[in-house]
Amino acid sequence: EVQLQQSGAELGKPGTSVKLSCKVSGYNIRNTYMHWVNQRPGKGLEWIGRIDPANGNTIYAEKFKSKATLTADTSSNTAYMQLSQLKSDDTAIYFCAIRLGYWGQGTLVTVSS
Amino acid sequence: DIQMTQSPSFLSASVGDRVTINCKASQNINKYLNWYQQKLGEAPKRLIYNTNNLQTGIPSRFSGSGSGTDYTLTISSLQPEDFATYFCLQHNSFPYTFGAGTKLELK
Repeated sequence: EVQLQQSGAELGKPGTSVKLSCKVSGYNIRNTYMHWVNQRPGKGLEWIGRIDPANGNTIYAEKFKSKATLTADTSSNTAYMQLSQLKSDDTAIYFCAIRLGYWGQGTLVTVSS
Repeated sequence: DIQMTQSPSFLSASVGDRVTINCKASQNINKYLNWYQQKLGEAPKRLIYNTNNLQTGIPSRFSGSGSGTDYTLTISSLQPEDFATYFCLQHNSFPYTFGAGTKLELK
């Protein structure tokens, strides 16, 4: 069974960074793309980008190019997303997803001073 | 970017009803269209991939159709567990984009 376990909720101050993790079991992340999606409170879904864990190649939505950094560690079968220069507008739930079919449970990031 | 216009935003229906939800893309997306169901506090669940392929484990009352720029999700006979929010996603070209969602409520 494929499972994606995301790290716990984060409270970040404006201007700081947070790093979220997504540990996969039941599937080798080398064989797929890992996508990240966010959902602001009460809003819809927004695609942030994807990483090919086999070679580290990334594609980002334009608005997240200076906000999100995607990485992956194939030895631990885990993907990461760092969010930098946090602003209140970054408050959201962040999901990881394999092939856009298997999703993690989401990590709530709250930005507040 | 490809814009996905989803309609309606809200839909009120009864158990047993047949409902349709639509997504219109701003350009041809070559059937690279997925449908998701999301319940409060949960991750999205994929129902349909690539326009008309039913995800394993999803009831056959869900179906998808479409081509070019116009796509439809149909629920043939609503069940109580189907009241949720539905999103479409185009994955034909980057950046991938979602529809704004349809909230399906019990009448």
